[in-house]
Amino acid sequence: ETGVTQSPTHLIKTRGQQVTLRCSSQSGHNTVSWYQQALGQGPQFIFQYYREEENGRGNFPPRFSGLQFPNYSSELNVNALELDDSALYLCASSLRGVGNYGYTFGSGTRLTVV
Amino acid sequence: DQQVKQNSPSLSVQEGRISILNCDYTNSMFDYFLWYKKYPAEGPTFLISISSIKDKNEDGRFTVFLNKSAKHLSLHIVPSQPGDSAVYFCAAINQGGKLIFGQGTELSVKP
Repeated sequence: ETGVTQSPTHLIKTRGQQVTLRCSSQSGHNTVSWYQQALGQGPQFIFQYYREEENGRGNFPPRFSGLQFPNYSSELNVNALELDDSALYLCASSLRGVGNYGYTFGSGTRLTVV
Repeated sequence: DQQVKQNSPSLSVQEGRISILNCDYTNSMFDYFLWYKKYPAEGPTFLISISSIKDKNEDGRFTVFLNKSAKHLSLHIVPSQPGDSAVYFCAAINQGGKLIFGQGTELSVKP
């Protein structure tokens, strides 16, 4: 059983640029969620994808967008990067409708915006 | 709108003693509550969960207690070990299946 893998592990971008982060779901999971964790804070829910469609969104602007592919892998895209976007971005896969959903997290992508 | 709150940013405990981490929530419709452990530069690792219809769940040294009337849950670690030192997150699953986190409590277990 493979876990959740995220790439890249670290990234440095300039303000105003665009970035794409990638996530491979755990085998058997059909849902993927993205979280932003700023320093000293808990992970904040960005959005969730189920069956390749957005299935709920947190308090993040439209420049945060995503995709889920038929193999349940996912991308998080952020346009017009701002300094405050610097954070650890976590991807989690889960199995919708099963008990506690089995949320499993990747190790994250550390994004630094300069 | 912080639906899951951990009001203690840090906790220090002596090795062998009990660690008690607390969490409060505001939404009475949460289905499940979970605890995660997190080391720097790693993703959260699942520890233990409890259904909203239960009041206690135990797994080895870890026990979670749920008090629905007080909208409060706690994680007990007995006995605490230095390897337990990490940030612990309380989280809840809402009816839409979304996982909502608290701010975290940094536990330090001293030898």
